Amino acid sequence: DTAVSQTPKYLVTQMGNDKSIKCEQNLGHDTMYWYKQDSKKFLKIMFSYNNKELIINETVPNRFSPKSPDKAHLNLHINSLELGDSAVYFCASSQDGDRFGTQYFGPGTRLLVL
Amino acid sequence: GDSVTQMEGPVTLSEEAFLTINCTYTATGYPSLFWYVQYPGEGLQLLLKATKADDKGSNKGFEATYRKETTSFHLEKGSVQVSDSAVYFCALSGRTGANNLFFGTGTRLTVIP
Repeated sequence: DTAVSQTPKYLVTQMGNDKSIKCEQNLGHDTMYWYKQDSKKFLKIMFSYNNKELIINETVPNRFSPKSPDKAHLNLHINSLELGDSAVYFCASSQDGDRFGTQYFGPGTRLLVL
Repeated sequence: GDSVTQMEGPVTLSEEAFLTINCTYTATGYPSLFWYVQYPGEGLQLLLKATKADDKGSNKGFEATYRKETTSFHLEKGSVQVSDSAVYFCALSGRTGANNLFFGTGTRLTVIP
């Protein structure tokens, strides 16, 4: 049973295209996140949603738009892709009742913009 | 603000060697501290955690002790295996809990036979 799943696992696309990455969690968690991991493995939070509402929106270009149709899903749409968007994107989730902050991560989506 | 400083890598060890990866933190209040591991080609997995001062987190032979006096949470293992080769991330959750998780830059460990 996959707790946090992401699709696709790999995504290769041309500059200027629009693409979406999907995330689903079956843990019943209330909060979901998107992280970007660059080529040096540095991991930075992009967005956080709690019960379908945005609660963290770090400084990311507005070409990135998260969408949460329900609390089990948090999708990431990227417009006008740029070379610098190439990275691994991780989705994660956590439970509000877990005050210690444990997050559970998906396997990642490797995005390559050509 | 809250932050984590992690030992720079990469670290290369022979099998059965002792491992230490240093991690220090800056935080207001009483954060929870974590070590996550990322195996090649995979996502991050929680390795261990500690939620208050002097707590020791342990899992798979790895240990880390929450030291408030030195603001540290160093990861240790007495005898590493080839299968421990991965990137290790130290992290803390801030005052608002899971919504603010701050990661260190990651330390790549390679264990050679």
